[in-house]
Amino acid sequence: AQSVAQPEDQVNVAEGNPLTVKCTYSVSGNPYLFWYVQYPNRGLQFLLKYITGDNLVKGSYGFEAEFNKSQTSFHLKKPSALVSDSALYFCAVRASKIIFGKGTRLHILP
Amino acid sequence: DGGITQSPKYLFRKEGQNVTLSCEQNLNHDAMYWYRQDPGQGLRLIYYSQIVNDFQKGDIAEGYSVSREKKESFPLTVTSAQKNPTAFYLCASSIQAPAFAGQPLITDTQYFGPGTRLTVL
Repeated sequence: AQSVAQPEDQVNVAEGNPLTVKCTYSVSGNPYLFWYVQYPNRGLQFLLKYITGDNLVKGSYGFEAEFNKSQTSFHLKKPSALVSDSALYFCAVRASKIIFGKGTRLHILP
Repeated sequence: DGGITQSPKYLFRKEGQNVTLSCEQNLNHDAMYWYRQDPGQGLRLIYYSQIVNDFQKGDIAEGYSVSREKKESFPLTVTSAQKNPTAFYLCASSIQAPAFAGQPLITDTQYFGPGTRLTVL
C-alpha cells in the first residue's frame, strides 16, 4: 500500500536559519512527489514536484527538496527562513492516486 | 488559488439540511477533486472526476454526492446523511495523467481553490 508520512507535527526555526520539513513515502514503482503550502483559511499552493531526473528540485519562494530513493525521503528545505514562511506544509505522493501527508506546521521565530 | 473558484467562502447548515458547494475552474483541466480537511488529519479525498459525466468515490464518500455535467464545474452536495460535516472543503483540478509507469510523462500537479468552510448549526 502506498503511504506518505510527515513525522513532525510542528517545526520551529529562527528567522535566517536553514529549515527542513521532513517527508518519507512508501510506494511501489516510481513515485511522483509534491510539496504544497497552505496559509490560514486558504487553499493549498503548489511549491515543487519531483517526477524524474535531478534529485534536487527547486521550487517557488526559494524552497527546494531533495529526493532520496534509498531513504525513500523527499525533505523540503530552505537555506534561510523568513517569518512569512510560517504556514502548514503538505507532502504528497502519487502512484495510482495522490495521497497527502497530515501536514507539518512551520513556525519561523523572529 | 488562480483559475479555481469556490463558493461560498463560509456556509452554515442546519441539521437535516442538504447544502451544495460550488467549484468552477477555467484551467481546461480534465480532472477535478473534492477533499475534506480536518485539523490534524490532512486532506481526505471525497470524490474525483477524470472526465465529464463520470466520477469515482474517494476514501470518505459516504454522505456526499457530486455531479460533473460540465468540464468546468464539479459541485459537491453535503447531504443530511453526513453526520459530521463541519470541516474545510477544498476543490482541486489537474491535467489528467496516466496511472501507470511507462506512459507519457504528463504532470498532474493539483491546483486548489480557496476553500469553503462549512459549519453545522
